[in-house]
Amino acid sequence: AQSVTQLDSQVPVFEEAPVELRCNYSSSVSVYLFWYVQYPNQGLQLLLKYLSGSTLVKGINGFEAEFNKSQTSFHLRKPSVHISDTAEYFCAVSDPSVGTALIFGKGTTLSVSS
Amino acid sequence: NAGVMQNPRHLVRRRGQEARLRCSPMKGHSHVYWYRQLPEEGLKFMVYLQKENIIDESGMPKERFSAEFPKEGPSILRIQQVVRGDSAAYFCASSPDRATSGANVLTFGAGSRLTVL
Repeated sequence: AQSVTQLDSQVPVFEEAPVELRCNYSSSVSVYLFWYVQYPNQGLQLLLKYLSGSTLVKGINGFEAEFNKSQTSFHLRKPSVHISDTAEYFCAVSDPSVGTALIFGKGTTLSVSS
Repeated sequence: NAGVMQNPRHLVRRRGQEARLRCSPMKGHSHVYWYRQLPEEGLKFMVYLQKENIIDESGMPKERFSAEFPKEGPSILRIQQVVRGDSAAYFCASSPDRATSGANVLTFGAGSRLTVL
């Protein structure tokens, strides 16, 4: 069965600092990978996705993620964060051959302060 | 072009009552998914439906919970005889027909927050 591990439950950073949110998955097959963001009291918004092709994926709001098959990782990065990036970030995986729903990690709370 | 619409946004029930949560998918989307979010636990998959069919209900509790997606109207998640442990945020998501999208890219609603007193 697929699973997703987000290694950090909370990541505090200062404004304009770089940030990396870590995500590892376990799957024996090819997967699709996603990062979603959830702002307080809102639903989830897709940040970026990896389906195939280039392992470096660029998303919205200046975020990017790199798919590393050998390390089964899909870490999310941003070179300079803003206060408005404060939110919860979820990594998710799906198996394209089966077509079932996404499996989510437990989330990482990014707190950006000035 | 409305997104995924969920209602009610907030629902308060007493123990033993029934809760009904509704979800209207995005226009053109025929797949609906329900997730439950508990504090510090992330999103847990509950059920995946297409029109008039339950495709995967492996995440649904065996008792008191049911879901439907009728030919006409919204998808409904029904919780009978609610208990305090049912208090959570319930999110609905939808996706296009998988054959055309090529990936289960989900669009989420804003969620329904159930509080059981």
